[in-house]
Amino acid sequence: GENVEQHPSTLSVQEGDSAVIKCTYSDSASNYFPWYKQELGKRPQLIIDIRSNVGEKKDQRIAVTLNKTAKHFSLHITETQPEDSAVYFCAAGAFSGGYNKLIFGAGTRLAVHP
Amino acid sequence: DAGVIQSPRHEVTEMGQEVTLRCKPISGHNSLFWYRQTMMRGLELLIYFNNNVPIDDSGMPEDRFSAKMPNASFSTLKIQPSEPRDSAVYFCASSSTGTGAYEQYFGPGTRLTVT
Repeated sequence: GENVEQHPSTLSVQEGDSAVIKCTYSDSASNYFPWYKQELGKRPQLIIDIRSNVGEKKDQRIAVTLNKTAKHFSLHITETQPEDSAVYFCAAGAFSGGYNKLIFGAGTRLAVHP
Repeated sequence: DAGVIQSPRHEVTEMGQEVTLRCKPISGHNSLFWYRQTMMRGLELLIYFNNNVPIDDSGMPEDRFSAKMPNASFSTLKIQPSEPRDSAVYFCASSSTGTGAYEQYFGPGTRLTVT
């Protein structure tokens, strides 16, 4: 069945360092790859997404890369700050017509130490 | 826009009782998703609707769970009878399929505790 694997499960970095989270997916029909950030006790919030027709997308300190051949995508956070500490989820979806289901990874707990 | 609205925000109930969770999607969105989040199992999709019609309910754990969407602005997730293992945070999310915008927006969640 459809599956999204996410690594690492926990990540600890010093403020100012970069953080990279990687995900692989199994469904080759997947064409939409969002990343969500969830702070403690809060809802998941979309921070960036990428579609299959694009290899890379950047938004300030956050970037996502996609390798469709290898079926993996990554989140890159540069110049990390303590407020980046949260759980990050990747997801993949094969969107077509009215079918828009997302499969989520297990999450990465990022801790940024001052 | 108020975003996705869920009620109640917290629910504590005893095993065997019926629990009903409610969700109001963002106005104009035609897709609605129910997720369950636990430490052990992460974020699981239970069921989703497009245009008020259930599309995929393969994530519904068992017959004790049921979901309805009687109109475009309201959905319920019911657990009857509830069990301690149902304790989790239940999120509702909505999105729109019409404009090619795939983003899903989550509600604040309902924290369910079954004792």
